[in-house]
Amino acid sequence: NAGVTQTPKFQVLKTGQSMTLQCAQDMNHEYMSWYRQDPGMGLRLIHYSVGAGITDQGEVPNGYNVSRSTTEDFPLRLLSAAPSQTSVYFCASRSPGDETQYFGPGTRLLVL
Amino acid sequence: GNSVTQMEGPVTLSEEAFLTINCTYTATGYPSLFWYVQYPGEGLQLLLKATKADDKGSNKGFEATYRKETTSFHLEKGSVQVSDSAVYFCALSEGGYQKVTFGTGTKLQVIP
Repeated sequence: NAGVTQTPKFQVLKTGQSMTLQCAQDMNHEYMSWYRQDPGMGLRLIHYSVGAGITDQGEVPNGYNVSRSTTEDFPLRLLSAAPSQTSVYFCASRSPGDETQYFGPGTRLLVL
Repeated sequence: GNSVTQMEGPVTLSEEAFLTINCTYTATGYPSLFWYVQYPGEGLQLLLKATKADDKGSNKGFEATYRKETTSFHLEKGSVQVSDSAVYFCALSEGGYQKVTFGTGTKLQVIP
């Protein structure tokens, strides 16, 4: 099992550009989440999904879109990047029967 | 809503010193409690967990006891090593499709 994988590992964008952060898991987990990690603020939930075709907003959803067409994949889209979106992004997954979250290695995003 | 409060860091200790990282929580129900660890440049991974009051979670020499009366889940280790240098996150979950609430993280640096 590869677990949770994320691509790219590092990305530099200019303000206004768009991009998609990829996340995939091979554990057949129904629940997937996107977090951003900023200094002194811990992990903040952006969006989450409880299964294919079902998504919902977390604490800080503005500026981000998600979709969940398959159980395995949960991409995060930035439609028009802003410097405030400079952060480290983590994808996580879990099964409802197991409260342990499994995290990807993260994507470091710099918006200039 | 739910919340997790953990001591601010950074915490700097000498090798073989005793470690305590405080964590208290507020929850509406009966959550499970977790400690996650993030090594430099990596995603978070589960360190230990406890699912009900008075349970003790343990792993790699770390321990934490679920104290319902004080709503606490303090992390302890008797003798830290340089390899324990990382950021430690306290978290809670009320299970099922409920979101996980994280603390802000405590950075631990262990010096030889």
